[in-house]
Amino acid sequence: GAGVSQSPSNKVTEKGKDVELRCDPISGHTALYWYRQSLGQGLEFLIYFQGNSAPDKSGLPSDRFSAERTGGSVSTLTIQRTQQEDSAVYLCASSRQGADYGYTFGSGTRLTVV
Amino acid sequence: AQKITQTQPGMFVQEKEAVTLDCTYDTSDPSYGLFWYKQPSSGEMIFLIYQGSYDQQNATEGRYSLNFQKARKSANLVISASQLGDSAMYFCAMREYDYKLSFGAGTTVTVRA
Repeated sequence: GAGVSQSPSNKVTEKGKDVELRCDPISGHTALYWYRQSLGQGLEFLIYFQGNSAPDKSGLPSDRFSAERTGGSVSTLTIQRTQQEDSAVYLCASSRQGADYGYTFGSGTRLTVV
Repeated sequence: AQKITQTQPGMFVQEKEAVTLDCTYDTSDPSYGLFWYKQPSSGEMIFLIYQGSYDQQNATEGRYSLNFQKARKSANLVISASQLGDSAMYFCAMREYDYKLSFGAGTTVTVRA
């Protein structure tokens, strides 16, 4: 696609439920990143996929968070047993390997846990 | 330790004047990249400007310029001739050897007419 596509754009869920957030990167981009942005705050790194390498999961805040990337393309971020502190905007970005000019962000998924 | 530090949570600037947003960084990598992004209230992240660690010249993109002082590990963004549409949150970010972007806390800029 022309840009990074994220779905859903908004998600309201009840505390304790599981949610899945989807990211469809730009075709040909081998790197994919997930970030979390709480209201009025900076971007917190969550996880990074680069080609076929093992993902860098160092930013995942707890074992309730997981992500996968199928076929080197679409990625799904799963949050199990959601808590109110998980409420945030989840941003996905993709880039070509080694391309400093290529980081493109999606519009994000706004997650609200009630 | 914080990799990117932005010490100005908010700034006001008069329309048509210049504004400088501070950014300092911390890395031991000899090769790295520095970025500035703009995030308007709509939430999208808009790439503004990039500076590579080996670039000899300061980067410029239209009204945006990056004041790169390598020895001081600073990469300040200068926006010249501010416009009302420049009101937004601005983030400094750094790419290290693993191509992961680390972001600062951001600076909110409000342009006054």
